[in-house]
Amino acid sequence: QQPVQSPQAVILREGEDAVINCSSSKALYSVHWYRQKHGEAPVFLMILLKGGEQKGHDKISASFNEKKQQSSLYLTASQLSYSGTYFCGTDGGATNKLIFGTGTLLAVQP
Amino acid sequence: NAGVTQTPKFRVLKTGQSMTLLCAQDMNHEYMYWYRQDPGMGLRLIHYSVGEGTTAKGEVPDGYNVSRLKKQNFLLGLESAAPSQTSVYFCASSYSMVGEQFFGPGTRLTVL
Repeated sequence: QQPVQSPQAVILREGEDAVINCSSSKALYSVHWYRQKHGEAPVFLMILLKGGEQKGHDKISASFNEKKQQSSLYLTASQLSYSGTYFCGTDGGATNKLIFGTGTLLAVQP
Repeated sequence: NAGVTQTPKFRVLKTGQSMTLLCAQDMNHEYMYWYRQDPGMGLRLIHYSVGEGTTAKGEVPDGYNVSRLKKQNFLLGLESAAPSQTSVYFCASSYSMVGEQFFGPGTRLTVL
């Protein structure tokens, strides 16, 4: 079953912050985050593992709440280059596959 | 080092025709995946492979077959194309299940 992402779309001005949520109805072992720009392939952002710490690089970070089966992606002081569709992918453990959410469209305007 | 490549980039088929999409990776990855992407549906897993000679069904396998005869190649076949298979197809590979997936550039398939 696909994880649910919210919001479906968000429009920001440069410098504003955003949070994208990913929620699953099943227990999770890992959560993966990817960004896809229009007409391009998805690109890896980060992986969060069960029992692991919050991750981040530059001004993009993420958290993983295993009990709530949720993950959140935090984009701080957004830049134009952050525009794209963000996907979370979830893994329930011992499945060898990711199930991706339907995506969150993020548009950053000058 | 080309990463993940897909052939062809674009294809138009008539209903009932068959075709094979080729995915190749030069990173010696064990895991390979085929996804389809439709507007509003995100990425849906069709089939995947955890090593040479192995394949397994994903979320939406009906109407597709796959083969992994060589570690570096993963083929996706459509035996009798239907308009519902009009989509963008992405191949991906990874070193492990919890590792980064590297995606190919995609194949845009239209079935008339």
